[in-house]
Amino acid sequence: QQQVKQSPQSLIVQKGGISIINCAYENTAFDYFPWYQQFPGKGPALLIAIRPDVSEKKEGRFTISFNKSAKQFSLHIMDSQPGDSATYFCAALVVSNSGYALNFGKGTSLLVTP
Amino acid sequence: EAGVAQSPRYKIIEKRQSVAFWCNPISGHATLYWYQQILGQGPKLLIQFQNNGVVDDSQLPKDRFSAERLKGVDSTLKIQPAKLEDSAVYLCASSLDRLDTQYFGPGTRLTVL
Repeated sequence: QQQVKQSPQSLIVQKGGISIINCAYENTAFDYFPWYQQFPGKGPALLIAIRPDVSEKKEGRFTISFNKSAKQFSLHIMDSQPGDSATYFCAALVVSNSGYALNFGKGTSLLVTP
Repeated sequence: EAGVAQSPRYKIIEKRQSVAFWCNPISGHATLYWYQQILGQGPKLLIQFQNNGVVDDSQLPKDRFSAERLKGVDSTLKIQPAKLEDSAVYLCASSLDRLDTQYFGPGTRLTVL
């Protein structure tokens, strides 16, 4: 059961454009929403994260927008560069009796063309 | 600071064989995770350790998968016997504590023929 749904599956953006990746969740117990970036042959690396008490967080060219009522969040990459070409995963953390589990989306393969 | 180390990087085995993966987390990190990442999907948590104790192994197929974390540092994940559907990248991650940022290793790509 996919608890975090991510779209699109793949995305092609021209250099300098804006890349937008969307995620939706159902479980209102999620309370931490990170985005990970993964290059081929490497493990995922934390890019940026947000908590549900904030509607937007910006770090450099990367912005997370969070809509708690709609249970949706998105990643915006401004001025996209070829070096941003990677797979991006959204995730959501839930705290339960058995621990702290990160639930990942299926990923978005981003290609930024020169 | 050294990252999470994993070995081997690649492994090819026949179905019904056994295989083991090794992980060395970042020094001082109390929490260690094993994830399975099937091609085209996001990582799925298999097991989580806090020091040398298991916190969450609800998604671990215990009939064939086992994991241990000796002395609260290195960890091994074993599959015995392997099935075709176990072909995936096995990622190890560690964090300072349970709510801290998880740092991932490069993974072990397993192919079961």
